[in-house]
Amino acid sequence: GAVVSQHPSRVICKSGTSVKIECRSLDFQATTMFWYRQFPKQSLMLMATSNEGSKATYEQGVEKDKFLINHASLTLSTLTVTSAHPEDSSFYICSATLYSAGNEQFFGPGTRLTVL
Amino acid sequence: GQQLNQSPQSMFIQEGEDVSMNCTSSSIFNTWLWYKQDPGEGPVLLIALYKAGELTSNGRLTAQFGITRKDSFLNISASIPSDVGIYFCAGPLLGTYKYIFGTGTRLKVLA
Repeated sequence: GAVVSQHPSRVICKSGTSVKIECRSLDFQATTMFWYRQFPKQSLMLMATSNEGSKATYEQGVEKDKFLINHASLTLSTLTVTSAHPEDSSFYICSATLYSAGNEQFFGPGTRLTVL
Repeated sequence: GQQLNQSPQSMFIQEGEDVSMNCTSSSIFNTWLWYKQDPGEGPVLLIALYKAGELTSNGRLTAQFGITRKDSFLNISASIPSDVGIYFCAGPLLGTYKYIFGTGTRLKVLA
């Protein structure tokens, strides 16, 4: 149990376009979902915390108008990178928590975004 | 901001050797987590520690929650080729559900 999926697994897009990444909890309802970004050979950095039905909370330095987060249901959160530029190329990873699991975060497999 | 520093940054070891790595913080944590990340994948939880001084094993892996609550250690015994990857420590910031991740230890096992 506690499986989290992401779609797509990798995406290549042109500079200036927008890209949507989906994060789904497959076999549980997630109270909270988190979005991380990981640049090559670096650690995971938290971008935002997403709660179903409310606005996401962004970490310092993360532009909320550039990284739009929608948490439409207890099993789905989406991250849209708007007007993507090459510096947005990164590995985006989501996680989902379940209160009954002691707030442990279950991580998705990640989405590799390459902006040309 | 708060940081978790891991050492060593990278290790090259022979198959069968034991491995030790650690994670230190400038502030205390109530939970320590150890993850492994394979290339192009999300992190996978290896061991969770919830109490200062706690020593927990998962197969060939053993982790300890430091007494000061500012550090944690991970040991891997009798390493095998599939142990290759990046090992991250992590923990929730006090009073929050947000995780902060360590700088990572990259492990390579030579057959």
